[in-house]
Amino acid sequence: AQKVTQAQTEISVVEKEDVTLDCVYETRDTTYYLFWYKQPPSGELVFLIRRNSFDEQNEISGRYSWNFQKSTSSFNFTITASQVVDSAVYFCALSEAVGNEKLTFGTGTRLTIIP
Amino acid sequence: GAVVSQHPSRVICKSGTSVKIECRSLDFQATTMFWYRQFPKQSLMLMATSNEGSKATYEQGVEKDKFLINHASLTLSTLTVTSAHPEDSSFYICSARVFPGGRTGEKYFGPGTRLLVL
Repeated sequence: AQKVTQAQTEISVVEKEDVTLDCVYETRDTTYYLFWYKQPPSGELVFLIRRNSFDEQNEISGRYSWNFQKSTSSFNFTITASQVVDSAVYFCALSEAVGNEKLTFGTGTRLTIIP
Repeated sequence: GAVVSQHPSRVICKSGTSVKIECRSLDFQATTMFWYRQFPKQSLMLMATSNEGSKATYEQGVEKDKFLINHASLTLSTLTVTSAHPEDSSFYICSARVFPGGRTGEKYFGPGTRLLVL
């Protein structure tokens, strides 16, 4: 069975600070995908990143960066120089790579950026 | 990018009535659609997976007779909440997987439907 753990339920930081959201996953699959989604107050999920289990390279996209470490089954997400618009709930998710590729979501981290 | 729509975006109904939620892929064909339910301040829980032209596969604990799913075409899936009760009040989100040639593993989500049962 697949499982995604986001131990941080809520985080608050002052604007312009850096913040890291943790994600730890469990799977028996050798091939899988990892995702991060942002859910603003409107409710619509915004896709941020997808990572294949074979690709352990860290990725940077603007103020966002992701650290994938297979050895510790972690896929952490860092926002640098945070902005108020970053306030949202962030979900880490895991997908099997075969069949219907069902997504298993973590419980989410509610991030509040204080102006 | 690919777009998934849901209708209605918000619905209020009386207890005992049935509510139908539509999920459409607007510019791509989706062989597989997923339905999720999200209670306030909680995560998304997968309810069922539907493949076009076949019966939906429900997750453990989800009543298939209560949550009827129809995936009659490559662009439309419907979720009907039958005899809705207040405990069915939730945010329902659909997701579609592109057929074939799309980016494997990437799902497109609809904007969600907020259901309130009085």
